[in-house]
Amino acid sequence: SAVISQKPSRDICQRGTSLTIQCQVDSQVTMMFWYRQQPGQSLTLIATANQGSEATYESGFVIDKFPISRPNLTFSTLTVSNMSPEDSSIYLCSARNQGVSSYEQYFGPGTRLTVT
Amino acid sequence: AQSVTQLDSHVSVSEGTPVLLRCNYSSSYSPSLFWYVQHPNKGLQLLLKYTSAATLVKGINGFEAEFKKSETSFHLTKPSAHMSDAAEYFCVVSDPQTGANNLFFGTGTRLTVIP
Repeated sequence: SAVISQKPSRDICQRGTSLTIQCQVDSQVTMMFWYRQQPGQSLTLIATANQGSEATYESGFVIDKFPISRPNLTFSTLTVSNMSPEDSSIYLCSARNQGVSSYEQYFGPGTRLTVT
Repeated sequence: AQSVTQLDSHVSVSEGTPVLLRCNYSSSYSPSLFWYVQHPNKGLQLLLKYTSAATLVKGINGFEAEFKKSETSFHLTKPSAHMSDAAEYFCVVSDPQTGANNLFFGTGTRLTVIP
């Protein structure tokens, strides 16, 4: 299994500013992901964070708005840029390893973002 | 294409009575199916998973789910609800054969347990 921590756990930000969320996994993992959970909604995949290369974004999400870094196999960051109230959501980091249990995926506690 | 339908957005049961949370899926191939639980202000926790082995899957905290291919269902059950079971539950599908990285989440079912 993998234990995932995120910082900050929550933040209140003004529109037009940017916030960087950090994700730390307690062991090396093959794949890391970022999800968004809007109020009262289910989870939507933003992007797959690729180690040493550009992230792979899902439809509706772009690098300019959600730049992602993954410098190594245990750490990733997601930046929410030029925020607006519509960006108020919970952002979750997730990780899994390819292998026998390749589709068992672990989730961080989330970062609750409120944009005013 | 993969998709998941959770038939109930909210289920309310009395403590000690059975729990049934319904999930139907759509997938091109034999999918992997999961149930995750999300307690308030906590991360998602894997309850159980089906990956083409036994169709009746036992998970943590007394939960189990049965994969029924003919009905394309993966309902979550528990014989006796406990107050600590109150949470949001997500049914999730993944399709390994397409090489998809994505997990497809249902819209969630909020379980309320009445004392």
